[in-house]
Amino acid sequence: GAVVSQHPSWVICKSGTSVKIECRSLDFQATTMFWYRQFPKQSLMLMATSNEGSKATYEQGVEKDKFLINHASLTLSTLTVTSAHPEDSSFYICSAASYSYYGYTFGSGTRLTVV
Amino acid sequence: GEDVEQSLFLSVREGDSSVINCTYTDSSSTYLYWYKQEPGAGLQLLTYIFSNMDMKQDQRLTVLLNKKDKHLSLRIADTQTGDSAIYFCAESNTNAGKSTFGDGTTLTVKP
Repeated sequence: GAVVSQHPSWVICKSGTSVKIECRSLDFQATTMFWYRQFPKQSLMLMATSNEGSKATYEQGVEKDKFLINHASLTLSTLTVTSAHPEDSSFYICSAASYSYYGYTFGSGTRLTVV
Repeated sequence: GEDVEQSLFLSVREGDSSVINCTYTDSSSTYLYWYKQEPGAGLQLLTYIFSNMDMKQDQRLTVLLNKKDKHLSLRIADTQTGDSAIYFCAESNTNAGKSTFGDGTTLTVKP
């Protein structure tokens, strides 16, 4: 079955530093990758949609200069949280979609804590 | 825009059936999904149904779709403590396209 690897699974960083989260589809080529932020009351917020070789499409209200998304290949997308602040602390989840499968394959998530 | 709604909490006893309900607004939804999220993990696709289907059964899971009312349900038979998780309903117009997710239903199974 389709597998998506997301790293790191948790990270603690100091306020003002940048953090990179990697999302990799291991056994399939992803048509599209999505990045979500999940809040403590469980709802998922779509941050952006990315396709290989093109600029990510950000949802309204998401700062593209703060949350940099790079989709370098059909199997790899990265999210960089720049100049992180405590309010950026959250659970970030990526997902990948392919015409070969129905639905999304999700990564295991990254717990970011900014101190 | 599209909207997907589900109740936030459901509590059942072990061995009972669980029914999680979902409503959506987009009449052009073609693909409807149920995902499961266990604590501290990503989401896992449980099952899906196409808009031209009324029902789909997969072992203990039964999905019912009422397209007229835009209502989707997930029934879990013989619910076990391992079924305790958050269940998300989602819809999409295209496969591999953007999906709209509900806010999730937290299922608690009591022994």
